[in-house]
Amino acid sequence: EAGVAQSPRYKIIEKRQSVAFWCNPISGHATLYWYQQILGQGPKLLIQFQNNGVVDDSQLPKDRFSAERLKGVDSTLKIQPAKLEDSAVYLCASSLGGGGAHTGELFFGEGSRLTVL
Amino acid sequence: GQQVMQIPQYQHVQEGEDFTTYCNSSTTLSNIQWYKQRPGGHPVFLIQLVKSGEVKKQKRLTFQFGEAKKNSSLHITATQTTDVGTYFCAGGAGNNRKLIWGLGTSLAVNP
Repeated sequence: EAGVAQSPRYKIIEKRQSVAFWCNPISGHATLYWYQQILGQGPKLLIQFQNNGVVDDSQLPKDRFSAERLKGVDSTLKIQPAKLEDSAVYLCASSLGGGGAHTGELFFGEGSRLTVL
Repeated sequence: GQQVMQIPQYQHVQEGEDFTTYCNSSTTLSNIQWYKQRPGGHPVFLIQLVKSGEVKKQKRLTFQFGEAKKNSSLHITATQTTDVGTYFCAGGAGNNRKLIWGLGTSLAVNP
């Protein structure tokens, strides 16, 4: 079974530039997450999709971050303009989702490491 | 807001010693998950606990969920160098099954 695919693996940009990350979840997984993980810290949820609808984007800095999941499959996360503090690993994860009472296992991609100079 | 505290932040042990990390929530959780992240890697799911007082074992790893469903622990017996990494707990909360993540416990094992 193919895992969660993310690209690019690494990206270096200067502040005020823009960047986009792509994620293809495991086939059939209804729920997709974007997390930001700063070095030495735990994952911070940016946005959670259920199919192509947003479930939670309360911690997404909407003035500069945007995300979409058209057709309820793959997703893109964009940062424009980037700031120095956006340097982090951006992790995409997916889970079966559905109507259960619990989240279920999250499957993470390898992550996209962003460095903002 | 809801928080999940995890202690200790770091732990160094000699190979063969035991290790425990604790997770405490300010509110009742619907479930708790544990993940392991190797250095330079991504979080990998270990287990999910759902029931009050639940105990699950995976070889040398023992996971517990408290009776009040506000705390959890992960215990590793006789650590090995392959256990090195950061262990995260993530508690399920809210109607949208939101996961609240702890800050992790980084385990270093000296051979």
